[in-house]
Amino acid sequence: AQSVAQPEDQVNVAEGNPLTVKCTYSVSGNPYLFWYVQYPNRGLQFLLKYITGDNLVKGSYGFEAEFNKSQTSFHLKKPSALVSDSALYFCAVRALYSGAGSYQLTFGKGTKLSVIP
Amino acid sequence: SQTIHQWPATLVQPVGSPLSLECTVEGTSNPNLYWYRQAAGRGLQLLFYSVGIGQISSEVPQNLSASRPQDRQFILSSKKLLLSDSGFYLCAWSVRDSLNEKLFFGSGTQLSVL
Repeated sequence: AQSVAQPEDQVNVAEGNPLTVKCTYSVSGNPYLFWYVQYPNRGLQFLLKYITGDNLVKGSYGFEAEFNKSQTSFHLKKPSALVSDSALYFCAVRALYSGAGSYQLTFGKGTKLSVIP
Repeated sequence: SQTIHQWPATLVQPVGSPLSLECTVEGTSNPNLYWYRQAAGRGLQLLFYSVGIGQISSEVPQNLSASRPQDRQFILSSKKLLLSDSGFYLCAWSVRDSLNEKLFFGSGTQLSVL
């Protein structure tokens, strides 16, 4: 079974500083990896994805994520945090070939990012 | 462009009452449709997904059911709500047969069962 771990419930960072939100995964075979962001009382919005190719993936709002196969990680990063980045961030994984369950994404529990002015 | 509508935004229901949440998608055909539940501190849990009209797959045993009476309509129901059904419910869609599996989410329904 596939799983996603986001080890930090909350991350606090000062505005202008770099931010990292951690994610590790477990899946059979090659993974599809995603980051989504959720603002208060809203649905999730897609940020970026890794399917194949370059390990560094660039997404919306200046975010990027680095795929590390040996560490089974897909950490979300941004060089300079903004107050408006404060939100709940979810990592998700989907196995490349998962048979009958191929439409299922497995989400982590989420990490609350707070950017302090 | 594609849009997804989910309603109501908030709902307060007594224990034992029925439930019906509706989700519709516009601007696309034959989407995959999903219902997720988000409980505090527990991330997103996939409840149901559908690859076509009348085709529903359930991921977890529960007090809820889903139906897809039309291609772009997905309904989440319960005959008798439990306290444990409280949570934030999200409808989502994706392009069928796409390996990208990018999900587009609705704005969610906050359900409080009292």
